[in-house]
Formats: sequence, C-alpha cells, structure tokens
Amino acid sequence: TQLLEQSPQFLSIQEGENLTVYCNSSSVFSSLQWYRQEPGEGPVLLVTVVTGGEVKKLKRLTFQFGDARKDSSLHITAAQPGDTGLYLCAGRKAAGNKLTFGGGTRVLVKP
Amino acid sequence: NAGVTQTPKFQVLKTGQSMTLQCAQDMNHNSMYWYRQDPGMGLRLIYYSASEGTTDKGEVPNGYNVSRLNKREFSLRLESAAPSQTSVYFCASSQGQGVEKLFFGSGTQLSVL
Repeated sequence: TQLLEQSPQFLSIQEGENLTVYCNSSSVFSSLQWYRQEPGEGPVLLVTVVTGGEVKKLKRLTFQFGDARKDSSLHITAAQPGDTGLYLCAGRKAAGNKLTFGGGTRVLVKP
Repeated sequence: NAGVTQTPKFQVLKTGQSMTLQCAQDMNHNSMYWYRQDPGMGLRLIYYSASEGTTDKGEVPNGYNVSRLNKREFSLRLESAAPSQTSVYFCASSQGQGVEKLFFGSGTQLSVL
C-alpha cells in the first residue's frame, strides 16, 4: 500500500471535457506538489500547496489541498491534447524532508 | 539551459554485470536525488544527498551505492545487476531542504536480462 494513493490510474477523455484526479492519504502532509511527466522525460513541477483548504489555479488547471492536509485534487477544465501525460502527486511530511510520490494517473486527451 | 543531465539514456545489462549511472546539474543546487520509476509505483527514492559530502538511504537502497563526487555530480552504481533492477532511473536536484522544487533529468532506461 502506497502512502499516497492516486485515482483513477488511467483516464481517457475527449478534447473539451473536464476531468478530476485525486490524491489521497491517511497521513498529514506539510506540503503537496503536483508534477506532470511526458513520455521520455522527467516530471516537471506544476504547483505546490502548503495550507489546508488552499486552492491554486494555473490556467485551466485547479489544484486543491484538503482542509486536513491529507488529500488533494487536480481539476482540468476543457482538456486539450497537450494536457496528455502522467500526473504525479508528491507529499512532504512535516517531520521529514523526503518527498513521497503517488503511483500516478495517466491522462489521455483525444482530439 | 542544461539543468540536470543524465547518462546514458538507455542501457542493457546481463545479470551480475555492474554499471554506473552519471548525473550532473549546473544550477548550483545543494541537494541531489536518485529515483526509480516502475509502472503504477510512481517514483521511489533510492538515495539522496542533502549537501556535498553527505549521502543517505531512501526507500529502496538495497543493491545500489552512490557517490556525491562534488557539488555538481551524483552517481548511482549497481555492483551486481539483477532483473528486479530493470526500471527507469531519474536523477533530480533541488536548492535545499524544505518546500521546494525538484528538477529532474530525462531518465535512464535500464534493462537487466
């Protein structure tokens, strides 16, 4: 069992549809990050959230950190083929400084 | 704008062979990391170096050794490769500890036959 569980594992949608990816844990995190990874490349940081209940927007992407800082969600509005990739959440516990990654959600946006 | 550079990009080994994966960063970062990525498992930390001259074990260190050669370079060595070490390996760096951004290399795809 992973410390951070992502769901769903795979999502295939048509261009223009909305999607939400979830990242859940039973542990509390001091901060949580979302990365996107394209084939053949390393992950690239999209956002960091640090406050319970925090909402951040990056163009069509909306990130939310749960009130209890145990979960997070990523919502994409009007998805485009360029949003295709592997989305990874990663959390850092207050007590340590190592980043723990979720298993990832693979998103495919069809034109 | 090199960022984090990893070599080689691909490698095939036979069981029992040894090899070293090289990583260098040009951002003057203090911390460097080695991760492995397996399908559905996300990224798992193998070893990290919080600063030059220090190294520590991550989640899955068995079968690996590391060397922080200087501030720029952090290498990962497999002394006797096993099929279970077939994976994609990523090196990353960051400025220091705390809430911060990791910069990743483009990965090494390793197959152990």
